[in-house]
Amino acid sequence: DAGVTQSPTHLIKTRGQQVTLRCSPISGHKSVSWYQQVLGQGPQFIFQYYEKEERGRGNFPDRFSARQFPNYSSELNVNALLLGDSALYLCASSLIAGGGTDTQYFGPGTRLTVL
Amino acid sequence: AQKVTQAQTEISVVEKEDVTLDCVYETRDTTYYLFWYKQPPSGELVFLIRRNSFDEQNEISGRYSWNFQKSTSSFNFTITASQVVDSAVYFCALSEAVGSGYSTLTFGKGTMLLVSP
Repeated sequence: DAGVTQSPTHLIKTRGQQVTLRCSPISGHKSVSWYQQVLGQGPQFIFQYYEKEERGRGNFPDRFSARQFPNYSSELNVNALLLGDSALYLCASSLIAGGGTDTQYFGPGTRLTVL
Repeated sequence: AQKVTQAQTEISVVEKEDVTLDCVYETRDTTYYLFWYKQPPSGELVFLIRRNSFDEQNEISGRYSWNFQKSTSSFNFTITASQVVDSAVYFCALSEAVGSGYSTLTFGKGTMLLVSP
């Protein structure tokens, strides 16, 4: 079975631009979470979606938004990019709500560079 | 607030040496879950183990073993007879079970393990 897939693999944008990152969860998984990982740090939680509804949001500005589609795939959007948004963006899928009662499986990530 | 501390930033060993990666966590909940993930240079986080707060039995899987001690809030990871392929960044993570709501992972900063031939 295919694991979590993300696209694109790499992305270069300039400050002020907008970006959309995509994620397809493992087949049968209904929950998707997004994490941001800056160099030298552990991943930081951004959003979690379950059954197309936002279940939780981390401490990120409103420039970050996300949605989940009927096929459980998800998009993460970041507007008005800042240099500090440069990071590896990881998508994780899980059967249900993820985290404690459920294991999250991660995709390969999208490396975003903002110039 | 929950917190995970991985005090070892980087560890270098020679192949076949045993190595232990330390993880200390903080949480006010009695029900929680602990995880270890491996991140090779490719970037993908690979799930290694999940342990709930009520199960303090140590676990062994091949060359990997985990030692969970609630008394010291630690969940350490040992690789026996390390191999070059073990070189990666290893993350410890904590999640609190939140009823019918959601729960997320809080990660430590990771420990980079370098295994040389």
